[in-house]
Amino acid sequence: DAGVTQSPTHLIKTRGQQVTLRCSPISGHKSVSWYQQVLGQGPQFIFQYYEKEERGRGNFPDRFSARQFPNYSSELNVNALLLGDSALYLCASSSHWGSTDTQYFGPGTRLTVL
Amino acid sequence: EDQVTQSPEALRLQEGESSSLNCSYTVSGLRGLFWYRQDPGKGPEFLFTLYSAGEEKEKERLKATLTKKESFLHITAPKPEDSATYLCAVLTTNAGGTSYGKLTFGQGTILTVHP
Repeated sequence: DAGVTQSPTHLIKTRGQQVTLRCSPISGHKSVSWYQQVLGQGPQFIFQYYEKEERGRGNFPDRFSARQFPNYSSELNVNALLLGDSALYLCASSSHWGSTDTQYFGPGTRLTVL
Repeated sequence: EDQVTQSPEALRLQEGESSSLNCSYTVSGLRGLFWYRQDPGKGPEFLFTLYSAGEEKEKERLKATLTKKESFLHITAPKPEDSATYLCAVLTTNAGGTSYGKLTFGQGTILTVHP
């Protein structure tokens, strides 16, 4: 079975632009979470979605938004990009919400903001 | 606020030299502790989940243990291919008493194994 997939692999944007990152979960998984990983640090939680509804939000500004589609894939949008948004953006999928299910991560999207 | 601290930040070993990585945590309600391995530029790869103090899990040269305040990842006779960043993360309950899926990560331990 295919694991979590993310697109694009790499992305270069300039300050002030907007970006959309995409994620497809493992087949059968209904929950998708997004994390931001700055170089040298552990991933930081941004959002969790389950059954198309936002179930959790981390400490990120309103410039960050996300949604989940009926096929459980998800998009993360970031508006008005800042230099500090440069990071590896990770998507993780799990079977359910509100449980201790393992989260499986995709390869990530490397975003560089110039 | 939940906190996870990993030590050491970096560890250099000779092939075959066993050692341990530490993950200490301060959380309000632990639902699970997860270990991941991350290679440069890639996403974290799941290794273990531990749910209660005293629990142990093994996989090849790796063994994870859990106490009420910390977890250890023991590496026995490591090989160069074990070189990676090892991440520890905790899943905790939120104010409503559910664990909605927010993993809180430590900063990771960068392991380098020399042949």
